[in-house]
Amino acid sequence: DAGITQSPRHKVTETGTPVTLRCHQTENHRYMYWYRQDPGHGLRLIHYSYGVKDTDKGEVSDGYSVSRSKTEDFLLTLESATSSQTSVYFCAIGRGLNSPLHFGNGTRLTVT
Amino acid sequence: DQQVKQNSPSLSVQEGRISILNCDYTNSMFDYFLWYKKYPAEGPTFLISISSIKDKNEDGRFTVFLNKSAKHLSLHIVPSQPGDSAVYFCAASAQGGSQGNLIFGKGTKLSVKP
Repeated sequence: DAGITQSPRHKVTETGTPVTLRCHQTENHRYMYWYRQDPGHGLRLIHYSYGVKDTDKGEVSDGYSVSRSKTEDFLLTLESATSSQTSVYFCAIGRGLNSPLHFGNGTRLTVT
Repeated sequence: DQQVKQNSPSLSVQEGRISILNCDYTNSMFDYFLWYKKYPAEGPTFLISISSIKDKNEDGRFTVFLNKSAKHLSLHIVPSQPGDSAVYFCAASAQGGSQGNLIFGKGTKLSVKP
């Protein structure tokens, strides 16, 4: 799984609480990504990072923020979780130009 | 507005036969295409890719065909094996994926029956 660790693997939280998901890589890849997977929607990009402290929004960024203070770590934060953010979240890493992304095993988040 | 479309949610194939998974795209700026396989409770795994300068790429039992004029690509698996049963995602990016971010289709669930 290309040296990508996501934590936690499962989390249940209540509406309105903050949640942070962590992605850690050991591949020293420049690019890191957060995707969410929902039935009927495939994988949708939330945010991505193209270097330390360099991030940008993806297709479904509302309600999410990210931070990357080190090459190896990319954090996804839900400032105030909502039930619509119940999903499976995947972190991915990549080298950029014409290279595939490699994914972690996901975090299943349930917001009650 | 879906830029990458996989119009078949599911496909069932007999072991040993060919599996053909299809994908259509709308953005003419896409120039790098990939297929991923996903098992339950795991992350997507990269299978095979193709750049727009080619029309075919082969890796073992997996071949991807690209028809740029039709904005269509397909994944052929020959021969299909029960272990190929998974959800297959088509993905694409523009400008060679200079930022690497991919646009995914909704997936096709392949079932290979023994």
